[in-house]
Amino acid sequence: AQTVTQSQPEMSVQEAETVTLSCTYDTSESDYYLFWYKQPPSRQMILVIRQEAYKQQNATENRFSVNFQKAAKSFSLKISDSQLGDAAMYFCAYRSRVTGGGNKLTFGTGTQLKVEL
Amino acid sequence: KAGVTQTPRYLIKTRGQQVTLSCSPISGHRSVSWYQQTPGQGLQFLFEYFSETQRNKGNFPGRFSGRQFSNSRSEMNVSTLELGDSALYLCASSLVSPNTGELFFGEGSRLTVL
Repeated sequence: AQTVTQSQPEMSVQEAETVTLSCTYDTSESDYYLFWYKQPPSRQMILVIRQEAYKQQNATENRFSVNFQKAAKSFSLKISDSQLGDAAMYFCAYRSRVTGGGNKLTFGTGTQLKVEL
Repeated sequence: KAGVTQTPRYLIKTRGQQVTLSCSPISGHRSVSWYQQTPGQGLQFLFEYFSETQRNKGNFPGRFSGRQFSNSRSEMNVSTLELGDSALYLCASSLVSPNTGELFFGEGSRLTVL
């Protein structure tokens, strides 16, 4: 079974600064997806960024980028030029590409990000 | 395009009762997954339905069940409610299963068991 670990329950960042959220995972599979989801107080989970394990290039979406280290099973999220709207709970998630795996996501415990003026 | 709609948004039940939650996926989406979110256990996968068939099931007791209708709307049912079933129940939809793209989540149904 796969596990996802987020060791930072809370993080704070000043507006316009950069912050990095950590995530490690454990799997015996070689082909999978990794995701960062954001859950604001409204509770709706929103996809921030996605990484396919077979791609060596780190994914980037505007101010959000990841550092994917497959051998180390590490998948950190960097948020640049932090904005007040970035304040939310961030979840790292894993999805297998094994046949029969469907769309099941395995989530980490989350990191609460606070953005300060 | 309407998003994923979950009803009811909030509900309160007492121990021993049963509850049914509904999820209407984005139009055209045929996969619906359900998750339970609690402060203690975090987000846990309940089950996934695709084209009216259960694809996957998480590690939950048989009191938790679900189904999917021909229009892709899904319901989940929890019987003989326990205090520990108090949680936010999220559903997510996607076009197909497995899906190479993202899952789209609803805002959840907040269940309180007294």
